Amino acid sequence: NAGVMQNPRHLVRRRGQEARLRCSPMKGHSHVYWYRQLPEEGLKFMVYLQKENIIDESGMPKERFSAEFPKEGPSILRIQQVVRGDSAAYFCASSPRLAGGTSTDTQYFGPGTRLTVL
Amino acid sequence: GESVGLHLPTLSVQEGDNSIINCAYSNSASDYFIWYKQESGKGPQFIIDIRSNMDKRQGQRVTVLLNKTVKHLSLQIAATQPGDSAVYFCAATGKLIFGQGTTLQVKP
Repeated sequence: NAGVMQNPRHLVRRRGQEARLRCSPMKGHSHVYWYRQLPEEGLKFMVYLQKENIIDESGMPKERFSAEFPKEGPSILRIQQVVRGDSAAYFCASSPRLAGGTSTDTQYFGPGTRLTVL
Repeated sequence: GESVGLHLPTLSVQEGDNSIINCAYSNSASDYFIWYKQESGKGPQFIIDIRSNMDKRQGQRVTVLLNKTVKHLSLQIAATQPGDSAVYFCAATGKLIFGQGTTLQVKP
């Protein structure tokens, strides 16, 4: 399977619980991006990671949200104490090299995780 | 801040006709642009890209035009098919600023 993998595809949480979203990039890709998409809206950048490094987290809410991309294993987007407003589709994308300056290689997207907070 | 926007939220075309989806961006420093297609319940799928040193690029049934003077790009789909029905997003560098998307509806 050469594509970006995300799991779970659907996640239901009650308010106050934690949500963990996983993303495995395409083979050979070492850069991962997370986006959030609300219904009827475009994708909003959240965070950009390289292995063991956060490169740009300017789109991440300051509280409750965190992301990591460890040396081994998938990238994890973690949302603590979820609220109803966190309900959205979360997409992960990967690219094969560092995006520098105003240029970037194409990002390839996973199928997304649809988070529903009850 | 930077923005990317599409001109029409919905475009309805007859099967077999050509479709044109437009997009404007604000950052004159953007030098790489991508069009994505998103079908219901799926992640965005790369369609075609263009760098700022070009003003036109063609793929299979798709053409992207870039006008840097007015910061505008368009996606043209020739002989639109029902399988083309989706939401189309343009995105601009640096960290992929996405537009709101245009929903393309193809009438048989």
